[in-house]
Amino acid sequence: QVRLVESGGGVVQPGRSLRLSCAASGFTFSTYGMHWVRQAPGKGLEWVAIISYDGSNKYYADSVKGRFTISRDNSKNTVYLQMNSLRAEDTAIYYCAKGGIAVAESLGDYWGQGTLVTVSS
Amino acid sequence: SYVLTQPPSVSVAPGQTARITCGGNNIGSKSVHWCQQKPGQAPVLVVYDDSGRPSGIPERFSGSNSGNTATLTISRVEAGDEADYYCQVWDNSSDHWVFGGGTKLTVL
Repeated sequence: QVRLVESGGGVVQPGRSLRLSCAASGFTFSTYGMHWVRQAPGKGLEWVAIISYDGSNKYYADSVKGRFTISRDNSKNTVYLQMNSLRAEDTAIYYCAKGGIAVAESLGDYWGQGTLVTVSS
Repeated sequence: SYVLTQPPSVSVAPGQTARITCGGNNIGSKSVHWCQQKPGQAPVLVVYDDSGRPSGIPERFSGSNSGNTATLTISRVEAGDEADYYCQVWDNSSDHWVFGGGTKLTVL
């Protein structure tokens, strides 16, 4: 069965960096786009970024563009989110979610359980 | 940027039908997906491409999309359907995925 497991969350000071990972299994990882979606405490879902199946196309929410970088390693079935210049408003649970074959096709037919990132001094 | 508007809350008695709307400019021209999120849990896709139902999702969940409004319909509502529901679309003018603000479904 499809499984997505996020890791790398924690407490970090404002202005510092953190890298999240999402290990995938149960499907042909290299065929599908992958998303990061976040949810601030008590708030709704916010799309963060998507990477195409081969890593050639990446799109970002305006709130993270220029600070966050999504990448993937198809040999390891893993997608990453490098988060730089972190701000208090980046505090959230970060979910990875499986996309479709095309970036516009699907968001979240499967989701991980999330990893909590807290940005605080 | 593209905006999706959902009512903050919808209440319905058990056994009745719940309808959750998602408004957007000419949303009928887009594919709308819906996910369900119960407290403390990750979201789960319940409807894709306006009206498709993923494997394992009860037939009580259905969707429609026309004009400026997409609708998630839950028939014969059960206590276990109580959750937050989010609509989502791909906005090709900005190359962004967009979520609605979410609707809390309360089963009375």
